[in-house]
Amino acid sequence: NAGVTQTPKFQVLKTGQSMTLQCAQDMNHEYMSWYRQDPGMGLRLIHYSVGAGITDQGEVPNGYNVSRSTTEDFPLRLLSAAPSQTSVYFCASRTRVTEAFFGQGTRLTVV
Amino acid sequence: QKEVEQDPGPLSVPEGAIVSLNCTYSNSAFQYFMWYRQYSRKGPELLMYTYSSGNKEDGRFTAQVDKSSKYISLFIRDSQPSDSATYLCAMSAWGGSANAGKSTFGDGTTLTVKP
Repeated sequence: NAGVTQTPKFQVLKTGQSMTLQCAQDMNHEYMSWYRQDPGMGLRLIHYSVGAGITDQGEVPNGYNVSRSTTEDFPLRLLSAAPSQTSVYFCASRTRVTEAFFGQGTRLTVV
Repeated sequence: QKEVEQDPGPLSVPEGAIVSLNCTYSNSAFQYFMWYRQYSRKGPELLMYTYSSGNKEDGRFTAQVDKSSKYISLFIRDSQPSDSATYLCAMSAWGGSANAGKSTFGDGTTLTVKP
């Protein structure tokens, strides 16, 4: 089935560890985005990409890196995990208009 | 002040009621207006989007945009228990503009429809 696949679904990290959240889409969408969702705060944009090789910062980029080497994949790297990065992370693929499909999310806890 | 403000809720209504969910915004560059539904522990799902001002209907759902007032609404008719979810409004600018690739979301309104 077409869609956005995120892995892992759950992760516990220790403070200072690094990890990569994977995101893949099979709809050939140019645009992809990473959001974090915290209770009562809606979705906040971390980084986004408008095509392979092109990325830009969103609202809350500090502590995260992204790259976009292919149209399909858009991984999010946490450089040195902090408790403030405990959140639910969503990857989305979008058309020029809007986020069309979201992944199921990665629930990350940093202890 | 946030670019997008959404009525916070939570909202609890009896089955069959008409529900109104609302957002206001401040950025005049927004041209696309979206509503997403998010069930607990799931990713958001796009319900509807509209371009510029006007109404759009899809079954029991009607999206309304008033750009002059910077105000958007989602109406749910004959609400069902299965409509119980968090509803998020979102807005974006044209894909060729400097804001391309970015949507701005409201914080969400949690709706409970009681049988």
